[in-house]
Amino acid sequence: EPEVTQTPSHQVTQMGQEVILRCVPISNHLYFYWYRQILGQKVEFLVSFYNNEISEKSEIFDDQFSVERPDGSNFTLKIRSTKLEDSAMYFCASSGDFYEQYFGPGTRLTVT
Amino acid sequence: KQEVTQIPAALSVPEGENLVLNCSFTDSAIYNLQWFRQDPGKGLTSLLLIQSSQREQTSGRLNASLDKSSGRSTLYIAASQPGDSATYLCAVSANAGKSTFGDGTTLTVKP
Repeated sequence: EPEVTQTPSHQVTQMGQEVILRCVPISNHLYFYWYRQILGQKVEFLVSFYNNEISEKSEIFDDQFSVERPDGSNFTLKIRSTKLEDSAMYFCASSGDFYEQYFGPGTRLTVT
Repeated sequence: KQEVTQIPAALSVPEGENLVLNCSFTDSAIYNLQWFRQDPGKGLTSLLLIQSSQREQTSGRLNASLDKSSGRSTLYIAASQPGDSATYLCAVSANAGKSTFGDGTTLTVKP
């Protein structure tokens, strides 16, 4: 069964460093998303992406964040200058018919 | 702004019981509602998707209902098993964009 994959599973970085989180959505899906979940808190929407552009973003998704689909399979989230409060689990999701969202296993980002 | 609430926050039941998890949302202008399961430290597994025009969906021992006008959904789990222990999340979407999640209900099924 097709699934969303994410790499790495765990990323440790120092405050102020740039990180890139990678995702491979399900191949025939057209909509892509990033969410985050701070430990013990709700899953929060960051951004949605369709037709090679951002279709919606939350107030969390400020100038330090960017997304890209560099080729036909990968979808990346870049955090330019990480802060301690960026520590969270980051989930990629994709959807096709009826916008049913399928989530990846997540990348745990730890900023020290 | 859409807000999603799930009750109860935690539930502990003996194996074999039928149970109901509740989800309510403040803005009834939704496109769909999705129920997920999340195991500790893991990703989200889609359980059921209900389109706004539908009243319910079933998958195995799971049945989800939707009453859009009152802003409510329920997830019914029949004959619960220890393997059902997890956090169950409800998420609503207004379009192809973002989903808004509830805090979840953490279910423990005791053998």
